[in-house]
Amino acid sequence: ELKVEQNPLFLSMQEGKNYTIYCNYSTTSDRLYWYRQDPGKSLESLFVLLSNGAVKQEGRLMASLDTKARLSTLHITAAVHDLSATYFCAVDSNYQLIWGAGTKLIIKP
Amino acid sequence: GAVVSQHPSWVICKSGTSVKIECRSLDFQATTMFWYRQFPKQSLMLMATSNEGSKATYEQGVEKDKFLINHASLTLSTLTVTSAHPEDSSFYICSAYSGVMDYTFGSGTRLTVV
Repeated sequence: ELKVEQNPLFLSMQEGKNYTIYCNYSTTSDRLYWYRQDPGKSLESLFVLLSNGAVKQEGRLMASLDTKARLSTLHITAAVHDLSATYFCAVDSNYQLIWGAGTKLIIKP
Repeated sequence: GAVVSQHPSWVICKSGTSVKIECRSLDFQATTMFWYRQFPKQSLMLMATSNEGSKATYEQGVEKDKFLINHASLTLSTLTVTSAHPEDSSFYICSAYSGVMDYTFGSGTRLTVV
C-alpha cells in the first residue's frame, strides 16, 4: 500500500525567510503533485513532477523530485504573507491520487 | 485550462433529506471522476471512483446506499447524499481525470445538515 508522509504538518514562519516542505512516499510512482488549498476553498494545482530530478519553479515556490529517494520537496523562498495556505502533496498510484496529510503554512509579517 | 464546474458551492439541508451535488467537466471529457470528502484540518479522503457508464467503486467504509454516485456521461457526475444526517456535514470535492487534462478539481461543496 502506497503511503505518503508530509512534514512538517504545521509551519509558522516570518516573511522573508526560506523553508522547505518534505513529501516522502513508500513505493515507486510516475507522478507527484503539489497543491495549494486556501481556507474554505478547493485545491489549486501548483506543480506536476514527472521524472527523477525534475525541478519546477513558479514565483517563490520551487518543487523537486528525487524518485530514487522517493522524496519531493517544496521550497519557499523569501516567503510573503500571500503564501499562507495549506499545501498538499499527492502521488499517483495507478491513476488514483494518494494524499499527504498537508502542511499548514502561516507566514507572519 | 480545464475546468470542472461543481454545484452547489454550499448547501444547508434538514436531517433526513437528500442532497445532490453535480460536477461537470466543461471543456473536456473525463474518463474517471473521483469524489472526495474533507473534514476540517484534514487531508482529502477518497470516497469513490466512477467511470462513465459503469458503477462506482467505493472505498472501504463508505456506504454506497447513502452516497449515490451517477456518472451518466463523460462530462457529468453526481453525488447524492441520501437521508442526510449532521455527521454527513463536510466539504465534498470532485476531481475529473482525463489522460490529456490530468486531474482537475471542482470548487467544492460545503454541506451542512441541520
